[in-house]
Amino acid sequence: AQKITQTQPGMFVQEKEAVTLDCTYDTSDQSYGLFWYKQPSSGEMIFLIYQGSYDEQNATEGRYSLNFQKARKSANLVISASQLGDSAMYFCAMSPYSGGGADGLTFGKGTHLIIQP
Amino acid sequence: GAGVSQTPSNKVTEKGKYVELRCDPISGHTALYWYRQSLGQGPEFLIYFQGTGAADDSGLPNDRFFAVRPEGSVSTLKIQRTERGDSAVYLCASRGARGPLHFGNGTRLTVT
Repeated sequence: AQKITQTQPGMFVQEKEAVTLDCTYDTSDQSYGLFWYKQPSSGEMIFLIYQGSYDEQNATEGRYSLNFQKARKSANLVISASQLGDSAMYFCAMSPYSGGGADGLTFGKGTHLIIQP
Repeated sequence: GAGVSQTPSNKVTEKGKYVELRCDPISGHTALYWYRQSLGQGPEFLIYFQGTGAADDSGLPNDRFFAVRPEGSVSTLKIQRTERGDSAVYLCASRGARGPLHFGNGTRLTVT
């Protein structure tokens, strides 16, 4: 069974600062994928970034980067130069395959990020 | 159409009633997923379709829940004899051959 743990239920960050959202995972699979999604108050889940278990480089997408530490089973999301529009719930998730697909996603409980002006 | 469309956006029903929730995936996406998100929680997997068939329905909580996708496009999640504990946001997602899930805005179900 797979499990995702997000230990920060809420975070307050000053605008323009960098933010790190923590995510640890537990799995016995050798091949898996890690995802981050953003959920604003509108409710839609917005895909941010993906990391495969065999990817040697940390994934980056614009202001988002994923700090993947395989030995520690952590996949923290880093948001650089935070903006007011970054305020939302953020979910870490994993799937049992590392090919970029998303079968059987297991989600964490999320972190509520609030960016303050 | 651009994204995944779910209707209705809100549904209020009385305990014991039957409800249907509809999902219209992104055109051409063969894989379709239903998730349920309770307040303060992350989404929980319910069922996954590949084409017309349910490839994995291990997340359905009990036999009151059923989903269909008869033509491999639109899907309907059906809940019989609704209970107050069924109140949640029901999220639908789709994806193509590779890549991440694309989610709809969800249907907020309230059972009174």
